[in-house]
Amino acid sequence: GEDVEQSLFLSVREGDSSVINCTYTDSSSTYLYWYKQEPGAGLQLLTYIFSNMDMKQDQRLTVLLNKKDKHLSLRIADTQTGDSAIYFCAERWDNQGGKLIFGQGTELSVKP
Amino acid sequence: ETGVTQTPRHLVMGMTNKKSLKCEQHLGHNAMYWYKQSAKKPLELMFVYNFKEQTENNSVPSRFSPECPNSSHLFLHLHTLQPEDSALYLCASSQPADVGANVLTFGAGSRLTVL
Repeated sequence: GEDVEQSLFLSVREGDSSVINCTYTDSSSTYLYWYKQEPGAGLQLLTYIFSNMDMKQDQRLTVLLNKKDKHLSLRIADTQTGDSAIYFCAERWDNQGGKLIFGQGTELSVKP
Repeated sequence: ETGVTQTPRHLVMGMTNKKSLKCEQHLGHNAMYWYKQSAKKPLELMFVYNFKEQTENNSVPSRFSPECPNSSHLFLHLHTLQPEDSALYLCASSQPADVGANVLTFGAGSRLTVL
């Protein structure tokens, strides 16, 4: 496909794990990113992964990369109500000056 | 002041008005961007400036006119907009776009409503 694709909504209970999935477009992308947007704010970088890695862990966050399937996921362990936000996946188009192309965002709702 | 600052945060305009959005960064970055965020759609990259030179115009209608007088400031001039242009306009900055991980720092956005 031509777009970075994410599901629009995810709802979990507090304390559970959340997994947000993304399918990207360019198999040659060297970097892939997860950004978080809280209400009334811009996007904030959560983490990124270099394409020669298949996993990156940072505290409660785990990023998994499957280059063969062009699939990226973000796992949030022990999800808290403060994690409620929109999560954007993005890929870097190296052959077009390094610009970032974003998905439409997944709205994560964490219920107490 | 640090980070990326956008003004105004909210703007309501008629279709015949002329207005401008402003973005300022004090991070020492040399690349600046305008993105359009509409509900349930991917973020749309509109314009990219590297070292004050426009390097990307993503088929944006001419009623949107960017200006980058220096590496710290970016404007989006708006003229004869349509109701479908109502959206959140996000400014971002980074080190030169083709260098390293190209991590973007975003402003909080300008919410535009066209009546």
